[in-house]
Amino acid sequence: QTVVTQEPSVSVSPGGTVTLTCALNSDSVSTSYYPSWYQQTPGQAPRTLIHSTNIRSSGVPDRFSGSILGNKAALTITGAQADDESDYYCVLYMRSGTSWVFGGGTKLTVL
Amino acid sequence: EVQLVESGGGLIQPGGSLRLSCAASGFTVSGSYMSWVRQAPGRGLEWVSVIYSSGNTYYVDSVKGRFTISRDNSKNTLYLQMNSLRAEDTAVYYCARGVRGYYDFWGQGTRVTVSS
Repeated sequence: QTVVTQEPSVSVSPGGTVTLTCALNSDSVSTSYYPSWYQQTPGQAPRTLIHSTNIRSSGVPDRFSGSILGNKAALTITGAQADDESDYYCVLYMRSGTSWVFGGGTKLTVL
Repeated sequence: EVQLVESGGGLIQPGGSLRLSCAASGFTVSGSYMSWVRQAPGRGLEWVSVIYSSGNTYYVDSVKGRFTISRDNSKNTLYLQMNSLRAEDTAVYYCARGVRGYYDFWGQGTRVTVSS
């Protein structure tokens, strides 16, 4: 079974930098999994932040960046703001093209 | 402007059926790949199904044989036919447009509650 793992919760101070990660149980995450990241606040639809590992979607502030760190995908927020407090999900596109797998999500607290 | 508007959710008894719709505007569903993603109460997002522009369809294991994704090109609408519903299918269901391995536009979701 394919499992994508994210930190359940992370906290950061306002103005600080935080990195969220996305791991795959069966393989190292690489660009061929087209890792993407989504932000979701309670009661709202997901918002696309990063796609294809490190490409910011339209309108996303440049304090959000994506990368591969070691064998994981990573989302880094530089200069965190209060309204960054949200749930963040990564998703990997399986190479077979037959499915996507979401991580369990990371709840980010800015305090 | 791209828009996705889901409808069709509601309260349904276990074993029942429901059809969700996702009306698209600003692009053609037949030219894109479209997915359904769900979120159970208090839980994370779960990919459910995809239909490619070719018409090929795929499903998460937990809904195979029970759910069917389809589209009506004339109505520019995506559907999810859900049969033999279970309590664990209770969730908000989102439709999303896919492009190059990710989802760029999402609907606002429609809530499905499976309960007696």
